[in-house]
Amino acid sequence: GAVVSQHPSWVICKSGTSVKIECRSLDFQATTMFWYRQFPKQSLMLMATSNEGSKATYEQGVEKDKFLINHASLTLSTLTVTSAHPEDSSFYICSAWLRLNTEAFFGQGTRLTVV
Amino acid sequence: QKEVEQNSGPLSVPEGAIASLNCTYSDRGSQSFFWYRQYSGKSPELIMFIYSNGDKEDGRFTAQLNKASQYVSLLIRDSQPSDSATYLCAVNPPSDKLIFGTGTRLQVFP
Repeated sequence: GAVVSQHPSWVICKSGTSVKIECRSLDFQATTMFWYRQFPKQSLMLMATSNEGSKATYEQGVEKDKFLINHASLTLSTLTVTSAHPEDSSFYICSAWLRLNTEAFFGQGTRLTVV
Repeated sequence: QKEVEQNSGPLSVPEGAIASLNCTYSDRGSQSFFWYRQYSGKSPELIMFIYSNGDKEDGRFTAQLNKASQYVSLLIRDSQPSDSATYLCAVNPPSDKLIFGTGTRLQVFP
């Protein structure tokens, strides 16, 4: 399948700092990328849909000023968790559509721990 | 009502048996349906997708879709202990996004 690379795979940061997570489609161009958050033993919760060249669409309840998403090119989307707090500790996963409304491929995920 | 619903399980089946995983969705206009497998601490990996009513087979896996009943299922034949994981149903409603169910945890015991 198509390859989506996410970096870093894990990060520990201090409360109040910002963390940037990168998601790259390595062998295809992704006009749409998705960012999910997953807490232990829970399902993936869609945070936002990232479209290349336009503003991200955030799901209800997700603070757009806290979770900054930039999709500057067809192969890269970034999620920045600003002023991180311990409750932001979670598994963040990006995915990209190979083609519109078809199967999505996932990055490896980033485990964020805020201390 | 949740957009995509799954029984959280765990579903326990003996090795060699058929595991049946079920999923219902609320948006009748949904077009595409996917099954992902997720091992603990890992990101999901695609198993199968299905777009049309009926069955779709791929090796030991069969996806079944019934749009009238808004129901999609996954059958795993000859279940193996390595199949033990959480199986996520995902649905693409007419809003260009992918919505996941809560997942069903499958345990295959030797």
